[in-house]
Amino acid sequence: NAGVMQNPRHLVRRRGQEARLRCSPMKGHSHVYWYRQLPEEGLKFMVYLQKENIIDESGMPKERFSAEFPKEGPSILRIQQVVRGDSAAYFCASSPGTQGLPGPQHFGDGTRLSIL
Amino acid sequence: AQTVTQSQPEMSVQEAETVTLSCTYDTSESDYYLFWYKQPPSRQMILVIRQEAYKQQNATENRFSVNFQKAAKSFSLKISDSQLGDAAMYFCAYRSPSTWDYGGSQGNLIFGKGTKLSVKP
Repeated sequence: NAGVMQNPRHLVRRRGQEARLRCSPMKGHSHVYWYRQLPEEGLKFMVYLQKENIIDESGMPKERFSAEFPKEGPSILRIQQVVRGDSAAYFCASSPGTQGLPGPQHFGDGTRLSIL
Repeated sequence: AQTVTQSQPEMSVQEAETVTLSCTYDTSESDYYLFWYKQPPSRQMILVIRQEAYKQQNATENRFSVNFQKAAKSFSLKISDSQLGDAAMYFCAYRSPSTWDYGGSQGNLIFGKGTKLSVKP
């Protein structure tokens, strides 16, 4: 499967635990976006990364949330000390860089995070 | 800031009939991209159709077409010959043209709240 790969597909955590969501972009894509979808809502932008750089994190909550996209390996969205309100579907999208500009975004299947 | 509004939380169509989903947006930019995404119960996000604002011609993809009215900031999706497999949430999305201005958002998508489409056999 050459598409955007997200894992796990479902993640259950208890309040106070940490959640790590992984996203492997499509081959050749150097831009990664994370979105959050609350129940009955559209997707909301969280963060945009390129390899080893956070370009735009204007949609990220100020506390407990962090993201990285290392030189090697997948992009990671990390949520520390999870609370019930973090329950949502988290989608990753990737796009190629064309002459420095992002291209069309391709989405993964999402990770559904449930907080007990 | 740009906003996207989908005023129809739910729509229903008879199989083989035509349905139109509405979307309006607000922006001060002159160039941008618009998209319709489909999200079936499996929750995948599937790109249905895209439109570049500088193109006057409405985009078409098989049974899916758009009515893009730039002056009215309207971007509706028409589904012809509806099929049972078209039943899903449909999201309209806006995207700014990308620049290397690190002070602004770099091409992230802004979504509406979605329209749930049901298809009746």
